Amino acid sequence: KQEVTQIPAALSVPEGENLVLNCSFTDSAIYNLQWFRQDPGKGLTSLLLIQSSQREQTSGRLNASLDKSSGRSTLYIAASQPGDSATYLCAVRRRAGNNRKLIWGLGTSLAVNP
Amino acid sequence: GAGVSQSPSNKVTEKGKDVELRCDPISGHTALYWYRQSLGQGLEFLIYFQGNSAPDKSGLPSDRFSAERTGGSVSTLTIQRTQQEDSAVYLCASTQSGGADTQYFGPGTRLTVL
Repeated sequence: KQEVTQIPAALSVPEGENLVLNCSFTDSAIYNLQWFRQDPGKGLTSLLLIQSSQREQTSGRLNASLDKSSGRSTLYIAASQPGDSATYLCAVRRRAGNNRKLIWGLGTSLAVNP
Repeated sequence: GAGVSQSPSNKVTEKGKDVELRCDPISGHTALYWYRQSLGQGLEFLIYFQGNSAPDKSGLPSDRFSAERTGGSVSTLTIQRTQQEDSAVYLCASTQSGGADTQYFGPGTRLTVL
């Protein structure tokens, strides 16, 4: 059974710091992995999607890496800003085709202090 | 529309009543997903629609839950004889096509069953 774990559960940093959020999954046979951001009352926003054949994806100050063999992904946020404060979720899709179920972590709640 | 919309934003109901939650996906998006997020728990996949059909209903927790999608657009999630454990935020997401994975989420409906 695929399980997704995110550590830390919460993180508070001063503005400007570089930081790393961790996501681990128990079954390395995945189709892709996604990182999302959740803001209160605003739903979820997809940040980065990494296919199983890829090692990393970058978008602006965000970089996500994937190591399938060790069952790990990291989300790196460079030069953090107060606007980055949110809950960050990772989710794993197990296979292609009509099985679209995503397995979700519980998230890391990030606070970036001015 | 500009994004995924959901209504109502909040719903308070009494135990045993039926509720209907609505999702209006981004125009032209063929795939639609329903999730549930309970307090302190990760997101839970409920059902996936491709067009008007639902190839994956594996996440519906009981036969009290049903969903339909008409005209390849709006979807309704119906919960019959609501129970207190149904209290959660119900999230809807859509993707551009069945093969695309970047999901665009609505703001959710917060359901409270008294």
